Amino acid sequence: AQSVTQLDSQVPVFEEAPVELRCNYSSSVSVYLFWYVQYPNQGLQLLLKYLSGSTLVKGINGFEAEFNKSQTSFHLRKPSVHISDTAEYFCAVSDLQIYNQGGKLIFGQGTELSVKP
Amino acid sequence: GAVVSQHPSWVICKSGTSVKIECRSLDFQATTMFWYRQFPKQSLMLMATSNEGSKATYEQGVEKDKFLINHASLTLSTLTVTSAHPEDSSFYICSARARSYNEQFFGPGTRLTVL
Repeated sequence: AQSVTQLDSQVPVFEEAPVELRCNYSSSVSVYLFWYVQYPNQGLQLLLKYLSGSTLVKGINGFEAEFNKSQTSFHLRKPSVHISDTAEYFCAVSDLQIYNQGGKLIFGQGTELSVKP
Repeated sequence: GAVVSQHPSWVICKSGTSVKIECRSLDFQATTMFWYRQFPKQSLMLMATSNEGSKATYEQGVEKDKFLINHASLTLSTLTVTSAHPEDSSFYICSARARSYNEQFFGPGTRLTVL
């Protein structure tokens, strides 16, 4: 079974500062990893995903994440945040084989990013 | 990307009534649909997975007689909350996936309030 831990429940940051949202996962098998963003009262939007290949993954809105297998981490980063980045961010993992068969995602607890002017 | 809609976006009902929530994939055929529940300031909890034409697979602890899921076509899945009670009040989110896509697409969610 897989699990995901997002180490920070809330991250306050000033506008134009860099930010890192931390995500660690646990799995005994190969996994796919995802980051989603949720704005208030809305569904989830995919920011980026790691399936295979380069461990540095670039996503939408200037976000990127790095897959580190030895540390079982998939931290999300942005070099300069905007007020509009204020939202809830979720890291998710899926067993590679199960996902390819249409299987489910396991979500972390979420990190609330609050960007202040 | 692919679009998933949910209807209604919010609903208020009296305790004891049943509520149906629809999830539609608008521009692709969803072979699998997922239903999640999200409490305020919390993560998404998977309730069930449904494949078109077959019975839904419920997660442990989810009452299948209370949360009826029907995936009757490749573009529509419904979640019916039967005999709703205030503790069923929550944000319900669906997602859909086609076999040819390697990601899930999420609907905008439905806010259910049971009085």
